[in-house]
Amino acid sequence: AQRVTQPEKLLSVFKGAPVELKCNYSYSGSPELFWYVQYSRQRLQLLLRHISRESIKGFTADLNKGETSFHLKKPFAQEEDSAMYYCALSRGANNLFFGTGTRLTVIP
Amino acid sequence: SAVISQKPSRDICQRGTSLTIQCQVDSQVTMMFWYRQQPGQSLTLIATANQGSEATYESGFVIDKFPISRPNLTFSTLTVSNMSPEDSSIYLCSVEAGGWSGELFFGEGSRLTVL
Repeated sequence: AQRVTQPEKLLSVFKGAPVELKCNYSYSGSPELFWYVQYSRQRLQLLLRHISRESIKGFTADLNKGETSFHLKKPFAQEEDSAMYYCALSRGANNLFFGTGTRLTVIP
Repeated sequence: SAVISQKPSRDICQRGTSLTIQCQVDSQVTMMFWYRQQPGQSLTLIATANQGSEATYESGFVIDKFPISRPNLTFSTLTVSNMSPEDSSIYLCSVEAGGWSGELFFGEGSRLTVL
């Protein structure tokens, strides 16, 4: 069975500090992982996907199959990064399984 | 990107009643997804709705409780039947971005409170 674990419900960092949002997964197949973000009063939207190996808004995430992790990182947090972040695992055909989310607060 | 409109955005309902949530997309899409987000919980997929066929329900969700319609490629409805307080949730409609990319576009959600 698949599982996506985000151990931190809440995370606060100061502006300019590095931030890391943790995500661990359990999946018997070949995983495809994503980070979704929901800013205040906005819709849930895709932030990045592991297969693209891209940096979006300064965020990166590397899939570590050995540790079954897909942590989201940014070297210098900005106030506008405050949001709810969800790690998600694809079960194929756009069938996504979401973690419980981490609320990031960047303190000015 | 797709623009998704959901109605109602919120409602307060009485126990035992049913409510239908509408989802309208501004472009034709093959698959539409209905998610539920209970208070303090993550998003859970209820079912996948394809036009012209019955919806496919995830484990723990049944058609009698959550009947879904998909009359065309831009519209779907989800009904929450015989509601109880445990059905108080945000219900989200989503559509695929195109192809199998893992990107979904989401509606703003319908927040239901059952008294």
